[in-house]
Amino acid sequence: AQTVTQSQPEMSVQEAETVTLSCTYDTSESNYYLFWYKQPPSRQMILVIRQEAYKQQNATENRFSVNFQKAAKSFSLKISDSQLGDTAMYFCAFKLGSAGNTPLVFGKGTRLSVIA
Amino acid sequence: GAVVSQHPSRVICKSGTSVKIECRSLDFQATTMFWYRQFPKQSLMLMATSNEGSKATYEQGVEKDKFLINHASLTLSTLTVTSAHPEDSSFYICSAGGVSTDTQYFGPGTRLTVL
Repeated sequence: AQTVTQSQPEMSVQEAETVTLSCTYDTSESNYYLFWYKQPPSRQMILVIRQEAYKQQNATENRFSVNFQKAAKSFSLKISDSQLGDTAMYFCAFKLGSAGNTPLVFGKGTRLSVIA
Repeated sequence: GAVVSQHPSRVICKSGTSVKIECRSLDFQATTMFWYRQFPKQSLMLMATSNEGSKATYEQGVEKDKFLINHASLTLSTLTVTSAHPEDSSFYICSAGGVSTDTQYFGPGTRLTVL
């Protein structure tokens, strides 16, 4: 079975600074996707960024980027120029295969607070 | 991204009653829908996976007779909590996916409180 581990229950960062959230996973499969989801106080799950395992290039979405280390099974999220609106729970998630019909396996989450 | 709605957003019911939660995929055909449960300050726990026109697949420890899932169309899945008890109080979230997309899209969630 696949597992996802987020070792940082809580983190804080000053506004405009950069923060990195850690995530490791365990799988014996080669075809999978990795995701970072954000859950603000509204509790709506929002997709931040995704990475296909077969792509070596790290995904980026504006201020968000990942450091995908496949051999180490590591998938960290870097948030640059942190904004107050980035305050939320962040969940790392794993999905087998490329289609959307397989379930996500979530880590326990990291609560990020951006401080003014 | 695609839009998924959930209704109701919040429900309070008496112990022993049944509650139905609807999850709708508004702008794409969701061949698969997932139901998650989230306790306060915890992560999402997968309850079941439902494929359109088929019986749902429940995760270990989830009572299928208590949490009835129906996925009769490509745009609608329902979760019915039968004979609800206070321990069923939680935040329930659905997500929609399909073979044509690599991403799941989440509904806004339903907060269930059983008195």
